Amino acid sequence: GNSVTQMEGPVTLSEEAFLTINCTYTATGYPSLFWYVQYPGEGLQLLLKATKADDKGSNKGFEATYRKETTSFHLEKGSVQVSDSAVYFCALGMSNTGKLIFGQGTTLQVKP
Amino acid sequence: DTGVSQDPRHKITKRGQNVTFRCDPISEHNRLYWYRQTLGQGPEFLTYFQNEAQLEKSRLLSDRFSAERPKGSFSTLEIQRTEQGDSAMYLCASSSNTAWDTEAFFGQGTRLTVV
Repeated sequence: GNSVTQMEGPVTLSEEAFLTINCTYTATGYPSLFWYVQYPGEGLQLLLKATKADDKGSNKGFEATYRKETTSFHLEKGSVQVSDSAVYFCALGMSNTGKLIFGQGTTLQVKP
Repeated sequence: DTGVSQDPRHKITKRGQNVTFRCDPISEHNRLYWYRQTLGQGPEFLTYFQNEAQLEKSRLLSDRFSAERPKGSFSTLEIQRTEQGDSAMYLCASSSNTAWDTEAFFGQGTRLTVV
């Protein structure tokens, strides 16, 4: 079946450190891949997406590349800020319905 | 448009009672989704509407759960005879169907606690 696996958190980094959050998926067909973010007290927001193999999604300094050969969509940022502290969810989108299948989420805490 | 809104934000109910949640999607969006999120987990898909038609239901959605979207606008999710295991955050999302990979916009959720 279709599934998403994320690295377990929490991840604790100092400000300006490099961030990687691993995400791998299992899917039939050709899903889109997404990263959503949930800031404390707020709803889920789309951070970035990629719709086909080798696409790179980017937003707010975050990047992720759709790697079909390794079935991965790892999230990276070169220099994190305290304001990036949140829960990050990797998700795959089913092509016929737009239904999302989420990973379990990774909590990021950035310390000044 | 203020985005996807959900009501109530919090609901505490006694086991065995019925509860109903409401979701108002972004006005021009014809797709509407319900998800359930438990602590420390990602959201899990429950059901999906395109306009007023309910096109898919998860096996997670037992017979005690029913969702409607009568005029293709707002949607309701009812849980009958609530159980403690129903305690969770219920999320609503909406999207347009101009492309299947368009962004889904989420509401802030209704947190249900069954005591």
